Amino acid sequence: NAGVMQNPRHLVRRRGQEARLRCSPMKGHSHVYWYRQLPEEGLKFMVYLQKENIIDESGMPKERFSAEFPKEGPSILRIQQVVRGDSAAYFCASSPYRDRGKGDGNTIYFGEGSWLTVV
Amino acid sequence: DAKTTQPPSMDCAEGRAANLPCNHSTISGNEYVYWYRQIHSQGPQYIIHGLKNNETNEMASLIITEDRKSSTLILPHATLRDTAVYYCIVRVGTSGTYKYIFGTGTRLKVLA
Repeated sequence: NAGVMQNPRHLVRRRGQEARLRCSPMKGHSHVYWYRQLPEEGLKFMVYLQKENIIDESGMPKERFSAEFPKEGPSILRIQQVVRGDSAAYFCASSPYRDRGKGDGNTIYFGEGSWLTVV
Repeated sequence: DAKTTQPPSMDCAEGRAANLPCNHSTISGNEYVYWYRQIHSQGPQYIIHGLKNNETNEMASLIITEDRKSSTLILPHATLRDTAVYYCIVRVGTSGTYKYIFGTGTRLKVLA
């Protein structure tokens, strides 16, 4: 049973370029979360999506960042016109959606991350 | 903001139990406590979660106080591979809108 798959694992972009990070959730999972982790810091929530719908984007920077989770294919986190401050690890997590009343169906599982370096 | 507070760091001798505390005094009645850990440069790994009752699995035990304002994660026989940052999280929101807000965690160092 494959886990959450993220690619690329490492990405180098020059300032002003675009970065696209992809996340394929675990089989049967319909919800995706994106987190950012700056060096030596904790994980910061960015956005929570289900298929074709953004549920919560309260952690997303207002400009240059966008996320989608289409009906078919992986979730995409897109960063336009990258700056050096965007250099970070970006983690994706997925969960199913089946509330059994115990919360067991909503545990999120993380991928191994995508490391973005802006030069 | 995270609803949890944890000590920034702890040491534990290899083979001994590691007891990691977490305060969540503003937790609501239907909010679960989750624990994850992050080994250097890897994705966070799910450990355990609970609501009211104590829980145990192959990795750890979770002890939640009766008033639910604090909890303790117990690694019964810590090994060097358990060295990691451990995050205690209160899952907020309602069904279909859950959020997992990470705090700063506890950096556990297991000593040989």
